[in-house]
Order: sequence, then structure tokens, then C-alpha cells
Amino acid sequence: EAGVAQSPRYKIIEKRQSVAFWCNPISGHATLYWYQQILGQGPKLLIQFQNNGVVDDSQLPKDRFSAERLKGVDSTLKIQPAKLEDSAVYLCASSRPGQGTDTQYFGPGTRLTVL
Amino acid sequence: DQQVKQNSPSLSVQEGRISILNCDYTNSMFDYFLWYKKYPAEGPTFLISISSIKDKNEDGRFTVFLNKSAKHLSLHIVPSQPGDSAVYFCAASVLSGANNLFFGTGTRLTVIP
Repeated sequence: EAGVAQSPRYKIIEKRQSVAFWCNPISGHATLYWYQQILGQGPKLLIQFQNNGVVDDSQLPKDRFSAERLKGVDSTLKIQPAKLEDSAVYLCASSRPGQGTDTQYFGPGTRLTVL
Repeated sequence: DQQVKQNSPSLSVQEGRISILNCDYTNSMFDYFLWYKKYPAEGPTFLISISSIKDKNEDGRFTVFLNKSAKHLSLHIVPSQPGDSAVYFCAASVLSGANNLFFGTGTRLTVIP
């Protein structure tokens, strides 16, 4: 079974520019998550999708961050405009609800550097 | 407000000895706990979990202990191997909730050959 795919793996941009990240979850996983991991900290949930609907986006800075999962499979996370403090690893994870566990499977992440 | 805390940023252990990683939480609503392992340039990998109805769960060399009254859990690795060297994250969730995971800040384990 293929794991969670993310691209790009690395991105360097200047502040005020925009950037987009892509995620393809494990086949059959209806739930998709985007996390932000700042250096020295644990991952922090930004947004959770169930199929193509948003379950929780309470931690998403909506003035600059947006995410979509139009067909209930792939997802994109966008930052516009980026700030220096957005430098972090952006992790995508997926899970298959209904199995009675909260096991989430993570992709390798996208490391964003904002200069 | 950090609801899940790992107070030891690093731990070094000799190969073959026991590694004990600790985690504390503040939210009494948490009822499911997980440990993830992370190698450099990779995403976290699920290691082991425990429900709040249990106080111990074992999987091979890995055992997680849960002390609900103290809001504390620990991960024991016996015997430790050099390949176990990684960053270990503790995470917690509310099963009846939206399945959000709250992570600790991680402990870097180094197993010395």
C-alpha cells in the first residue's frame, strides 16, 4: 500500500510571496489532515477534512492560509502572503475512520523556508 | 497552551539497556494516546497506542504505560537498539471528538552502540 505523498519536499520563498503544497492520501482514507511543525515543536493541526468537507479548521490562520479537497482525495494547502513565521514543515496525514482508532499516517512533509 | 508535554528534549541510552520516554498531559478529556517515531526528513511513523481503559499496552520491544490519575504516560523500549535513535512524539486525542491529535514537543533518543 502506497503511503501519503506530498510535494514539493522543499520550498524557499520570500515573504509576501504565495506558495502551495499538495497531498495525496493513502487510498481509501476518507480523513485528511494538514499539520504545521515549527522547529523544536510538535506538529500542530491546521485543518481536518472528512471526504471533501471541513471538520475542523479552528487553528488555520484564515487571513492567509487556505486549503481545499475538492474531490475528496487530493488536497492543496496555500499560503498567501507568506510571513517569516510560516517557516516550518507542513505535514499531511490521513486516516480511515470507523476502525475505532486514531491512527494517522503521515507523509514526509514539505519544508518551507520564508526569507 | 501545551496540553501534551514532553519535558526531556533528549535522552541517551546504551545499546541493550532500557529507554524510558515520558509524557504528561493536562486535558482530562483525552482518552487515546499514541507514540510516533520520527527520523530526519521523514514524517512521523505510528509506533504504539493505548486507550484510557487500559494501563499498559505491549508490542514487541515497546510498551506504553498509562497512569490516568497522574495524567502521565511513558514508553519503554527494551532492549534499545541503535536503529531506535529518532525523535519520539507523544500524542493524545479525544476518541469521541474530531480525532484531532495533540502532540508533545518530542524527545530525541540516541542509542549508543
